Amino acid sequence: TQLLEQSPQFLSIQEGENLTVYCNSSSVFSSLQWYRQEPGEGPVLLVTVVTGGEVKKLKRLTFQFGDARKDSSLHITAAQTGDTGLYLCAGARGRDDKIIFGKGTRLHILP
Amino acid sequence: DAGVIQSPRHEVTEMGQEVTLRCKPISGHDYLFWYRQTMMRGLELLIYFNNNVPIDDSGMPEDRFSAKMPNASFSTLKIQPSEPRDSAVYFCASSLKHSGGNGYTFGSGTRLTVV
Repeated sequence: TQLLEQSPQFLSIQEGENLTVYCNSSSVFSSLQWYRQEPGEGPVLLVTVVTGGEVKKLKRLTFQFGDARKDSSLHITAAQTGDTGLYLCAGARGRDDKIIFGKGTRLHILP
Repeated sequence: DAGVIQSPRHEVTEMGQEVTLRCKPISGHDYLFWYRQTMMRGLELLIYFNNNVPIDDSGMPEDRFSAKMPNASFSTLKIQPSEPRDSAVYFCASSLKHSGGNGYTFGSGTRLTVV
């Protein structure tokens, strides 16, 4: 059983469109992170959210932590080809717990 | 800082051979993690160290896998003997803290192919 479920698994859209990907769990997390991984490289941290209901923006990317701290979403506005990659969510259930990763959403932006 | 450095980037070996993967964490990071990534299972935590001491090795698949951290700037993951099902990308990551806001910094990975 995967503790962090990410959806969709794959998403292919045209450049300029908006999209949202999701990270869901039945468990409560003390913090949740989003990473982006490009082919041949390791994941790179994009953002960390720690407060229920928290919203963080990183240019065209908007991250939201659910009120109950069980889920999160990543919204991309006006997607660009450079946004292509594997988006991973990762969470820690307790302050001193190790981080666990979802399997990711593989995003492909078409020119 | 050069980031987390892993070597080699690619390794192709025959079944039964010993494989050693190497990692140099970011200076000052107290935590070091070894992950394995496959399409089927995603990123799996194998083992992690705090101040060079192994803390949790529950993710190590079997006795063929071993990891060491002889000092703060170097760690190895060894597979002996290797099997085709070990083929995956192995990542090393380091962190200032165990979890929370700092996040992990990953290396570029070692792509292992066992034939």
